[in-house]
Amino acid sequence: DAKTTQPPSMDCAEGRAANLPCNHSTISGNEYVYWYRQIHSQGPQYIIHGLKNNETNEMASLIITEDRKSSTLILPHATLRDTAVYYCIVPLGNTPLVFGKGTRLSVIA
Amino acid sequence: GAGVSQTPSNKVTEKGKYVELRCDPISGHTALYWYRQSLGQGPEFLIYFQGTGAADDSGLPNDRFFAVRPEGSVSTLKIQRTERGDSAVYLCASSFPSGGAGELFFGEGSRLTVL
Repeated sequence: DAKTTQPPSMDCAEGRAANLPCNHSTISGNEYVYWYRQIHSQGPQYIIHGLKNNETNEMASLIITEDRKSSTLILPHATLRDTAVYYCIVPLGNTPLVFGKGTRLSVIA
Repeated sequence: GAGVSQTPSNKVTEKGKYVELRCDPISGHTALYWYRQSLGQGPEFLIYFQGTGAADDSGLPNDRFFAVRPEGSVSTLKIQRTERGDSAVYLCASSFPSGGAGELFFGEGSRLTVL
């Protein structure tokens, strides 16, 4: 997998937007960026993925920079249930996903 | 339910014993993955099946670990002569598109404790 770098932890006030950054400066042209999250004591949950264009679904938005060397996952109105570890992953081809340590997001009331 | 089901949810065993962990993937999903997760770490890849065959077993730590998926659906992860270092949460995931990337659906895991 292309190496990704994420901050170890972040805080966000409930109701505010949570912006989670990820650096993937070695990404190649045909590699996707995937985001998963893991709530305490549960298995990881797929959130969103993208290649070049920004993507949005019911859970989040993914903003990828034009040079594709970094991306930001946006939770527009964070709730306490969004407290989790968020993983940014860039898989190499069809190889299995490699999870790093992710960013521990704490949403505070 | 329609999700990935893993049993048992918790298993406590003694060092040296044999353990089997079961994964029932989402119906129709051809790809099945096993990961394990130690406290404070991200999930670590173990093995991946496409249908009945192991497409990639490069993550299995040693020959005490073995997994099967005889009919292309349910999979069993088998651990022989368990060691205390095997204690972890073992996660199973399945997906419809073949290949390692994509949208994986994870179960809630089997927590193994080796005393």
